[in-house]
Amino acid sequence: AQKVTQAQTEISVVEKEDVTLDCVYETRDTTYYLFWYKQPPSGELVFLIRRNSFDEQNEISGRYSWNFQKSTSSFNFTITASQVVDSAVYFCALSEAGFGNEKLTFGTGTRLTIIP
Amino acid sequence: GAVVSQHPSWVICKSGTSVKIECRSLDFQATTMFWYRQFPKQSLMLMATSNEGSKATYEQGVEKDKFLINHASLTLSTLTVTSAHPEDSSFYICSARDRTGGLSRSYGYTFGSGTRLTVV
Repeated sequence: AQKVTQAQTEISVVEKEDVTLDCVYETRDTTYYLFWYKQPPSGELVFLIRRNSFDEQNEISGRYSWNFQKSTSSFNFTITASQVVDSAVYFCALSEAGFGNEKLTFGTGTRLTIIP
Repeated sequence: GAVVSQHPSWVICKSGTSVKIECRSLDFQATTMFWYRQFPKQSLMLMATSNEGSKATYEQGVEKDKFLINHASLTLSTLTVTSAHPEDSSFYICSARDRTGGLSRSYGYTFGSGTRLTVV
């Protein structure tokens, strides 16, 4: 069975601070995909990144960066120079066995509040 | 880019009535549609997976007779909450995958905007 743990339920930081959201996953598959989604108050899910299990390179996209470490089964997400618009709930998710009809297993989410 | 249109965005209904939620893929063929439910301040839980032209597969604990899923075409899937009760009040959201197994824009699953259901 697969499982995603986001231990941080809520985080608040002052604007312009850096913040890291933790994600730890469990899976028996050797091939899997990891995702991060942003859910603003309006409710829709905004795709941020997908990572496959064979690609451990860290990725940077503007103020966002992701650190994937298979050795610790972690896929952490860092926002640098945070902005108020970053306030949202962030979900980490896991999909097993490649890109077939597999479901996404979500973590419980981290509610991020950026204080102006 | 890949877009999934979900309607209605919110609905209030009386207890005992049925509510239909629609998800349409606007610019791709959604061979697989996933339906999730999210209770307030909780995570998204998969309810069922539907493949076009076949019966939906429900997750354990989800009543298939209560949550009817129809995926009759490659662009439309519907979720009907039958005889809704206040405990069915939740945020329902669909996501779609295309025939090739990936969407060039997001490389992931494209989600609808969600439907907030309130049963009174």
